[in-house]
Amino acid sequence: DAKTTQPNSMESNEEEPVHLPCNHSTISGTDYIHWYRQLPSQGPEYVIHGLTSNVNNRMASLAIAEDRKSSTLILHRATLRDAAVYYCILRDVQLRTGNQGGKLIFGQGTELSVKP
Amino acid sequence: GAGVSQSPSNKVTEKGKDVELRCDPISGHTALYWYRQSLGQGLEFLIYFQGNSAPDKSGLPSDRFSAERTGGSVSTLTIQRTQQEDSAVYLCASSQRGPNRISYNSPLHFGNGTRLTVT
Repeated sequence: DAKTTQPNSMESNEEEPVHLPCNHSTISGTDYIHWYRQLPSQGPEYVIHGLTSNVNNRMASLAIAEDRKSSTLILHRATLRDAAVYYCILRDVQLRTGNQGGKLIFGQGTELSVKP
Repeated sequence: GAGVSQSPSNKVTEKGKDVELRCDPISGHTALYWYRQSLGQGLEFLIYFQGNSAPDKSGLPSDRFSAERTGGSVSTLTIQRTQQEDSAVYLCASSQRGPNRISYNSPLHFGNGTRLTVT
């Protein structure tokens, strides 16, 4: 499985933008880049995903490098409720033995703290 | 609408006992996943269901772990003869992932988990 590398932790100030980096130099052509976050004492929550083009939704933006070997999750205005562990995951959508479900393989993620 | 529901939210059991953990997925979601998260660790995939069948059981750590899904809905994860190392939060997720390619990227919706403590 293609791996991702994220910083263990980051700090941000409230109401400022946050850029969470992710490196995935061994990404394959059938890997989508997914981001989930996990707030304390909760299950993970889907944030956004993309393949090649930058993506925006109500929660965040995803900027994908032209060579797809890295990406950045952008929170435009951090709030205290955004404090969580953010996971960058490569999801192989190719239907093959051992990947029938497109399972997500979680790494350690980036723990984001937000200061008031 | 209602999200993924898991019960119980907390379970304390003695070493050697069997436990059953329940997951009610979002209505209409055909795919169901079980994960576990040990203290301070990342999420570990256990098993995937599509409908009532489990084409990927590769994450089950031992034959003491089993899971079933009935009616394409509720799933039960059973741990027999529990050990202290089984203590973890067990998370269930569901998605609309189906056999057509458009649905392959359907996001997973997670419940808040069952915290299992084996004493």
